[in-house]
Amino acid sequence: DSGVTQTPKHLITATGQRVTLRCSPRSGDLSVYWYQQSLDQGLQFLIQYYNGEERAKGNILERFSAQQFPDLHSELNLSSLELGDSALYFCASSALGVAGIYTDTQYFGPGTRLTVL
Amino acid sequence: AQKITQTQPGMFVQEKEAVTLDCTYDTSDQSYGLFWYKQPSSGEMIFLIYQGSYDEQNATEGRYSLNFQKARKSANLVISASQLGDSAMYFCAMRGSSGNTGKLIFGQGTTLQVKP
Repeated sequence: DSGVTQTPKHLITATGQRVTLRCSPRSGDLSVYWYQQSLDQGLQFLIQYYNGEERAKGNILERFSAQQFPDLHSELNLSSLELGDSALYFCASSALGVAGIYTDTQYFGPGTRLTVL
Repeated sequence: AQKITQTQPGMFVQEKEAVTLDCTYDTSDQSYGLFWYKQPSSGEMIFLIYQGSYDEQNATEGRYSLNFQKARKSANLVISASQLGDSAMYFCAMRGSSGNTGKLIFGQGTTLQVKP
């Protein structure tokens, strides 16, 4: 058990809908990262939050947004869903996540498997 | 740009034997970290081992060791005494020190199957 929790574990929805994925980081970790894993794209970084503020954006679509709350949990919102958004979405957390700290290990949650029908 | 390459899509190993999973990387950063993760069929990503670019000794964690060859930009994972539970997908990942992010760059992964 990594200490990172994600809910729900599975999500099945229809095209055009909106969903929210939730993540609670390990106790004490300040950074939260979201990754998308799909068969064609592999593991792709979406976005990072550090202590409530957005730190970096990766290959995140405009239809997707995220936030980190004062208690450090994070939510990833996916809207106007398309078939191609079906994937495994991971949340990871690390103690720091600041620039230059390359030793910071990221621990992953169990993932949310999203299926868009 | 940073890049991780795993050239072995699939590997087989006999139970109790050792196996090496290849990983090469490309980065212009002087300081960086290299990570290996295991993803069983259940889907979770499990951290295995870390190697820093300035670490002089190869990292080891139990049956896992990382064969780090900086000049060749390779960071191969060695699993000794393979067990049936080692059957999984393995990902090599890198994190640089430049930029304002701690994001990981992942390779495409290697599927390992351990035969009894």
